[in-house]
Amino acid sequence: NAGVMQNPRHLVRRRGQEARLRCSPMKGHSHVYWYRQLPEEGLKFMVYLQKENIIDESGMPKERFSAEFPKEGPSILRIQQVVRGDSAAYFCASSPRQRQGETQYFGPGTRLLVL
Amino acid sequence: AQSVSQHNHHVILSEAASLELGCNYSYGGTVNLFWYVQYPGQHLQLLLKYFSGDPLVKGIKGFEAEFIKSKFSFNLRKPSVQWSDTAEYFCAVCGRSSGSARQLTFGSGTQLTVLP
Repeated sequence: NAGVMQNPRHLVRRRGQEARLRCSPMKGHSHVYWYRQLPEEGLKFMVYLQKENIIDESGMPKERFSAEFPKEGPSILRIQQVVRGDSAAYFCASSPRQRQGETQYFGPGTRLLVL
Repeated sequence: AQSVSQHNHHVILSEAASLELGCNYSYGGTVNLFWYVQYPGQHLQLLLKYFSGDPLVKGIKGFEAEFIKSKFSFNLRKPSVQWSDTAEYFCAVCGRSSGSARQLTFGSGTQLTVLP
């Protein structure tokens, strides 16, 4: 029973480098969500995507961050020119349908450390 | 904007003690409510959820939560905790209006430590 997969689990980058985080949703799920958890805080919504579409990116920082969910392959969260403040755990979740309040299933997260 | 407040940052209990974790939310409309748990080294798992109907919701592993609309609360309870319940617990809310139907808003989490 393959759940939501995320890789890498840990990622270390130096300031100014790019970070690419990958998320493969559960089989049959076409909705993907990205959340960020800063130290000592709860998860904060970043972006919601369906295949080839960004539905809601109200939680995404305006610069350096982008997300995609192509027709084939995993969803990618991309952070350009990383800064120390980007150090956090990034969680991906997926859900199967568009019903209101459909349960979101979470992956193990990617811990990003910016040196 | 919706928000979720979890009152206790860290709770320490002995085995067999009763547990109640507080959760209050702020949102001007109908909501769906969730409790997630994160065991050490593992990913977030759904404990229970409330969409409608009976405000007392039963979840996995003996957990339950009660939705009290007048108090904007959704407290998590368990009559007798076990050492294996040691984990971080997150309350989350999802508004049902079209603009926020998808995103979960999480509380800051409560770390529960159960002493054997």
